Amino acid sequence: EAGVVQSPRYKIIEKKQPVAFWCNPISGHNTLYWYLQNLGQGPELLIRYENEEAVDDSQLPKDRFSAERLKGVDSTLKIQPAELGDSAVYLCASSLGLAGTPTDTQYFGPGTRLTVL
Amino acid sequence: AQKITQTQPGMFVQEKEAVTLDCTYDTSDPSYGLFWYKQPSSGEMIFLIYQGSYDQQNATEGRYSLNFQKARKSANLVISASQLGDSAMYFCAMREGVYNQGGKLIFGQGTELSVKP
Repeated sequence: EAGVVQSPRYKIIEKKQPVAFWCNPISGHNTLYWYLQNLGQGPELLIRYENEEAVDDSQLPKDRFSAERLKGVDSTLKIQPAELGDSAVYLCASSLGLAGTPTDTQYFGPGTRLTVL
Repeated sequence: AQKITQTQPGMFVQEKEAVTLDCTYDTSDPSYGLFWYKQPSSGEMIFLIYQGSYDQQNATEGRYSLNFQKARKSANLVISASQLGDSAMYFCAMREGVYNQGGKLIFGQGTELSVKP
């Protein structure tokens, strides 16, 4: 079974440029998560989707960040314009969600490492 | 507010020996789930083990076991017979609500484990 796929793996951009990250979750997983991981820190949730609905986006900086999950499968996270402080790893994860067991393990992709110059 | 604390920024262990990674948590919810993830240098978060707050026995998964002390609010990860491939960052995480499938994870700061040959 394929895991969570993310692209690109690495992205280097100049500040004020736009950037987009793509995530394809594990087949059949209803819940999709975007986490931000700063260097030396644990991941922090940016947004969570149940199917195509964003059910928790309280930590998403909405002035510059946006996300979508069309048709409840793939998702795209966008930053426009990027700032120096956005340099980090952006992790996508998926889980069965409400259809799963109480464990409802979240499976993570390899992440996209963003560097803003 | 939920909080996870990992007080060991770095740990060293000799190959084939056991090692304990500490994790304490804080929550006012009597129902919660605790997770441990491994993050090698490649960046992907790998699920290791889960403990629900109502579980009577400590969780075990192969060489991984969880020393769950509910009254002390600690959930230490024990790795037996360490291998060179165990060298990685290890994150403790919590989700409020045992049956809160799809809920976000709150992560600690992580512990970097180095296994010496």
